[in-house]
Amino acid sequence: QLQLQESNPGLVKPSETLSLTCTVSGGSISSSSYYWGWIRQPPGKGLEWIGSIHYSGRTYYNPSLKSRVTISVDTSNNKFSLKLRSVTAADTAVYYCMGAAAGTGVDSWGQGTLVAVSS
Amino acid sequence: QSVLTQPPSASGTPGQRVTISCSGSSSNIGRNYVYWYQQLPGTAPKLLIYRSNQRPSGVPDRFSGSKSGTSASLAISGLRSEDEADYYCSVWDDSLSGQVFGGGTRLTVL
Repeated sequence: QLQLQESNPGLVKPSETLSLTCTVSGGSISSSSYYWGWIRQPPGKGLEWIGSIHYSGRTYYNPSLKSRVTISVDTSNNKFSLKLRSVTAADTAVYYCMGAAAGTGVDSWGQGTLVAVSS
Repeated sequence: QSVLTQPPSASGTPGQRVTISCSGSSSNIGRNYVYWYQQLPGTAPKLLIYRSNQRPSGVPDRFSGSKSGTSASLAISGLRSEDEADYYCSVWDDSLSGQVFGGGTRLTVL
């Protein structure tokens, strides 16, 4: 059973870069059948897909965030990361890291970490 | 405004059957699998249905999914108080080249 755990930056200032890391345990991030990624949820609102990455490095991003997002994978440490640049208050949300087996949906989730954007 | 349209709320009494709809288009539901997630208060979402009508192991058979054309539905039979949660549909959109979610449906068990 995969377990995912997000890092916790907590508070990020407007215009700065939000950086999160997700540590994967119970399995290899280099599994060819898995995609890893990030989903966020603003307080009191619905889910928004940010993007996904395959261990090979192929990435998929939400078009509305693509210009500000980079997702990368660190196979040697079984981690993957999110960078969201030029944040504003609208980026305040609970950020979930996730793992999705190809064709079978997101079956592994981190517990979520609240990131607030405020000066 | 979500690409996928769900009713914001639904309700039922214990033992009843309720359905939650998810309306999309030819670029998403019309050509790709639909996924359903359940989110209990204060917790991460949980996969309920994959490939439009398949249940992961451990998900009760009270939950079922279906798809027709550009719409999909989640049905919950034998409603229980612990089913009170938010439910989201999700699908890959070929036009956007990205995963999209419905706005979510809050299910209340009366």
